[in-house]
Amino acid sequence: QSALTQPASVSGSPGQSITISCTGTSSDVGGYNYVSWYQQHPGKAPKLMIYEVTNRPSGFSNRFSGSKSGNTASLTISGLHTEDEADYYCSSYTGSSALLYVFGTGTKVTVL
Amino acid sequence: EVQLLESGGGLAQPGGSLRLSCAASGFTVSSYAMSWVRQAPGKGLEWVSSISTSGGSTYYADSVKGRFTISRDSSKNTLYVQMNGLRAEDTAVYYCARRMTARAFDIWGQGTMVTVSS
Repeated sequence: QSALTQPASVSGSPGQSITISCTGTSSDVGGYNYVSWYQQHPGKAPKLMIYEVTNRPSGFSNRFSGSKSGNTASLTISGLHTEDEADYYCSSYTGSSALLYVFGTGTKVTVL
Repeated sequence: EVQLLESGGGLAQPGGSLRLSCAASGFTVSSYAMSWVRQAPGKGLEWVSSISTSGGSTYYADSVKGRFTISRDSSKNTLYVQMNGLRAEDTAVYYCARRMTARAFDIWGQGTMVTVSS
């Protein structure tokens, strides 16, 4: 199993909506509803934003939403804010002891 | 406040060893599955190792299996990873993370940098 595939970069203007895709296989994204998304600002630790495909941690902004279709998961950011500019990573549980969790290649979101 | 604080990173020679620690506060390490995730400079996140809630099961990425050992000390509320046989490709920021029941990592430490170089 290799890293989940994400676009290297996505950009949008403030107020716009963007969607980041995360493509895996039937052994990870397609096989489990354990897809999560993380936001990482430069020099900072990742921060959980979405878990179990669609759920947001308590108190987290509802501008972020997740979905999944087949082997591809997606993160949508609505009403882009300048502070949304960061790297975003998807992750999936795999059930394989040799690679229990696989992360995506990462997407740099730029707010124009 | 729920928090994780890593320590123990630094410079190691190829073939050398380091032990990273991750001190937890605000929750009990032995009540959760815990993991180590690393990030090489300028690269993405990579899962390294996990220990189950019971502590009875440990898991490793193929890239570190046989060289890294994850453990925890309930009395110190601390997670560890012993890293032996270090290689240049192990150079990364190492994060410890708490795993939710939902198989996501909800609490992360600030990371500790490991550099493997002669």
